[in-house]
Amino acid sequence: AIQMTQSPSSLSASVGDRVTITCRASQDIRNDLGWFQQKPGKAPKLLIYAASNLQGGVPSRFSGSGSGTDFSLTISSLQPEDSATYYCLQDYSYPFTFGQGTRLEIK
Amino acid sequence: EVQLVESGGGLVQPGGSLRLSCAASGFTLNNYQVIWVRQAPGKGLEWISYISSSGNTIHYADSVRGRFTVSRDHAINSVYLQMSSLRAEDTAVYYCVRDLDTLIQGLWEDAFDIWGQGTTVTVSS
Repeated sequence: AIQMTQSPSSLSASVGDRVTITCRASQDIRNDLGWFQQKPGKAPKLLIYAASNLQGGVPSRFSGSGSGTDFSLTISSLQPEDSATYYCLQDYSYPFTFGQGTRLEIK
Repeated sequence: EVQLVESGGGLVQPGGSLRLSCAASGFTLNNYQVIWVRQAPGKGLEWISYISSSGNTIHYADSVRGRFTVSRDHAINSVYLQMSSLRAEDTAVYYCVRDLDTLIQGLWEDAFDIWGQGTTVTVSS
């Protein structure tokens, strides 16, 4: 199975900061990666699919990049409502695998 | 409103069985691939199963293979997850998720765009 290593596991940042979360795959997954945001008690929400495509309705401050084994999710200007846990998911091969998650706290 | 709704969760004893259902409103679930994802209390997300739109292609995580069976009923636009030989470690919130195939630069890409609200399964004596 492909391992997804996500970092950092948690971070704290201020409103307006630029924040980057990374995921590294244990093998080449092309661009078959999605990013999800999950708030407590809620279902995850798709932010980015195919590594860099912004899901409809998602604010443009979210962006994704990368291909092969290294990927990143960037929030260009952090907002209070961005406090959540973020996950990457590789859908290149079965079994699909998630990163461990990044808990983002607003200072 | 476009949404998925899971049902069928509950409390079950170790070794028992449960069937989860996933129904759609606002769109025809028959036209889409579906995955199941679970989340144990305080833990991260775990992909556990995939079923193609036709139902002919199915995949499972090692952790559930041989115990869980995914299926779909096109007549009633629903997807099911039959869970048997349940263990304490199967305790989790279970989500069904729509897989929207999107054509990007000549390639079909997955977008897991619609998630149900989740249904809770608790395995305990």
